[in-house]
Amino acid sequence: DSGVTQTPKHLITATGQRVTLRCSPRSGDLSVYWYQQSLDQGLQFLIQYYNGEERAKGNILERFSAQQFPDLHSELNLSSLELGDSALYFCASSPGGTGHGYTFGSGTRLTVV
Amino acid sequence: QKEVEQDPGPLSVPEGAIVSLNCTYSNSAFQYFMWYRQYSRKGPELLMYTYSSGNKEDGRFTAQVDKSSKYISLFIRDSQPSDSATYLCAPQGPLSFGAGTTVTVRA
Repeated sequence: DSGVTQTPKHLITATGQRVTLRCSPRSGDLSVYWYQQSLDQGLQFLIQYYNGEERAKGNILERFSAQQFPDLHSELNLSSLELGDSALYFCASSPGGTGHGYTFGSGTRLTVV
Repeated sequence: QKEVEQDPGPLSVPEGAIVSLNCTYSNSAFQYFMWYRQYSRKGPELLMYTYSSGNKEDGRFTAQVDKSSKYISLFIRDSQPSDSATYLCAPQGPLSFGAGTTVTVRA
């Protein structure tokens, strides 16, 4: 157990629907990162939050949004889902600042049918 | 130019061989260099963490950083079937994961 908790582990939904993925960071970590990993693809950085504030943005689609709550858990919202959104979505956390490795959760496997 | 370029692989080696994995990066400001291991579709786990240029050894794993050429390497000695995984290089920063090299160690 890495200490980063992601729920749900699996999600199957239909095109056009909206889903919410949840991430609880490791105790004491202030930064949360979201990544998308499609089949046979590398980790694509989506967005970072630090202590409730958006810190960095990657290739996140406008249909996707995220937030980090006062208790530091984070949610990634995916709307108007398309078949191509089927992927593994990972959350990682770190204490914040530079020079820290990121601890990953076990991911949410999203299947859009 | 991508910020991080990683040898795509895949690599298949016999048990006991030395595995050599390489990445290049473009941002000369990077100072912290990490290697992650990802077993099939599981969450990546931090394997090695190196600061600045030089070598770092941890058991069968050695990480090398050459900042002058912006080149980082990971060596796995006496490779085992349990080392079969995808290895991701990660120079400092959440954007900078390499695409990963899949390694298979044949028993």
